[in-house]
Amino acid sequence: GESVGLHLPTLSVQEGDNSIINCAYSNSASDYFIWYKQESGKGPQFIIDIRSNMDKRQGQRVTVLLNKTVKHLSLQIAATQPGDSAVYFCAEITHYTSYGKLTFGQGTILTVHP
Amino acid sequence: DVKVTQSSRYLVKRTGEKVFLECVQDMDHENMFWYRQDPGLGLRLIYFSYDVKMKEKGDIPEGYSVSREKKERFSLILESASTNQTSMYLCASSLIGRMGTEAFFGQGTRLTVV
Repeated sequence: GESVGLHLPTLSVQEGDNSIINCAYSNSASDYFIWYKQESGKGPQFIIDIRSNMDKRQGQRVTVLLNKTVKHLSLQIAATQPGDSAVYFCAEITHYTSYGKLTFGQGTILTVHP
Repeated sequence: DVKVTQSSRYLVKRTGEKVFLECVQDMDHENMFWYRQDPGLGLRLIYFSYDVKMKEKGDIPEGYSVSREKKERFSLILESASTNQTSMYLCASSLIGRMGTEAFFGQGTRLTVV
């Protein structure tokens, strides 16, 4: 079946380094992707999104890259801080007529060491 | 700020009990979702609703039902709780239709069935 998944379940980095979290998707009809951050004890929180007609989008300290040829998505975090430690999920929106159904990957645990 | 509120942070219920998980959003969103989150499995969609009294099955609807009598409230019902329904349950809401509509999550309800 269609799925959205992550290559690496855990990532440890030093404070100040750049982090790259990867995600593979299998639904070639996917048209919209979101990265979420989930801190311990909280619900997922929106970080950044990208549409399928784009290959790069930048936010504050974060960049999302989309490679539709290989169905790959990545989240880059610049100058990673201890507060960035969390689980990161990529999610795909499947549009059924006008509905937005989110399908999530398994998540990557990012640990930032001071 | 968008607010999605789940009625309980922690619940402990006995096997066979009927369990209600309540979710309320204050942004007049059409879409509402119920996910469960388990270690290593990410977030899996149980049910979603795109309008009052409308519902669609997600990926794992077995053992659950939902109710959407008012736009702002979406209830998840476990008709007869079982131990394999011990999990973190997350409610989310989003606007309908437009591409690029992120979902906003509640803080989660950790349900333990004993």
